[in-house]
Amino acid sequence: NAGVMQNPRHLVRRRGQEARLRCSPMKGHSHVYWYRQLPEEGLKFMVYLQKENIIDESGMPKERFSAEFPKEGPSILRIQQVVRGDSAAYFCASSPVILATDTQYFGPGTRLTVL
Amino acid sequence: EDKVVQSPLSLVVHEGDTVTLNCSYEVTNFRSLLWYKQEKKAPTFLFMLTSSGIEKKSGRLSSILDKKELFSILNITATQTGDSAIYLCAARGAETSGSRLTFGEGTQLTVNP
Repeated sequence: NAGVMQNPRHLVRRRGQEARLRCSPMKGHSHVYWYRQLPEEGLKFMVYLQKENIIDESGMPKERFSAEFPKEGPSILRIQQVVRGDSAAYFCASSPVILATDTQYFGPGTRLTVL
Repeated sequence: EDKVVQSPLSLVVHEGDTVTLNCSYEVTNFRSLLWYKQEKKAPTFLFMLTSSGIEKKSGRLSSILDKKELFSILNITATQTGDSAIYLCAARGAETSGSRLTFGEGTQLTVNP
């Protein structure tokens, strides 16, 4: 059973460009969470999605950031018009639906660098 | 606002030492507390604790939760260099407050040979 997959692992963008980060949850998992880890800081919750629904986006900046988890395909975190402060590691986690377990399993992260 | 505080932030020990990492939390409608180990990649799951006083063990690692005093500890005995990592503590509230995990800043553990 493959773990949570994220791509790309590293992404470099210039200020003003768009960044698209992808996350494929573990097989059988339909809950996806995105977290951001700034340098020297802990993980901060951004958004929680189920298939075709955003459940909780209270941790996501209102401007420039959006997330989706379509019926088919990976979850996408999109950052428009990136700024240097967006440079961080973005982690995706997933959890299964059946047991409503609290355990979230993390992907390897995408390290975004904004030049 | 939910809050998790870990201590110490950094710890350097020698192989064979025993370490105790601390985590205190303030979470609305607390549901569970999780420990993760983060090396240079994905945080990997260690333990999930929901009940007070029940120790969870996995090899040289063990953890316990105190819901009255709102804290948890992670113990590592006979440390090895491979235990060097950031140890993250995260707390989760009830469904009405979302399914997010609130993380502490982590404890950076360095085990020297």
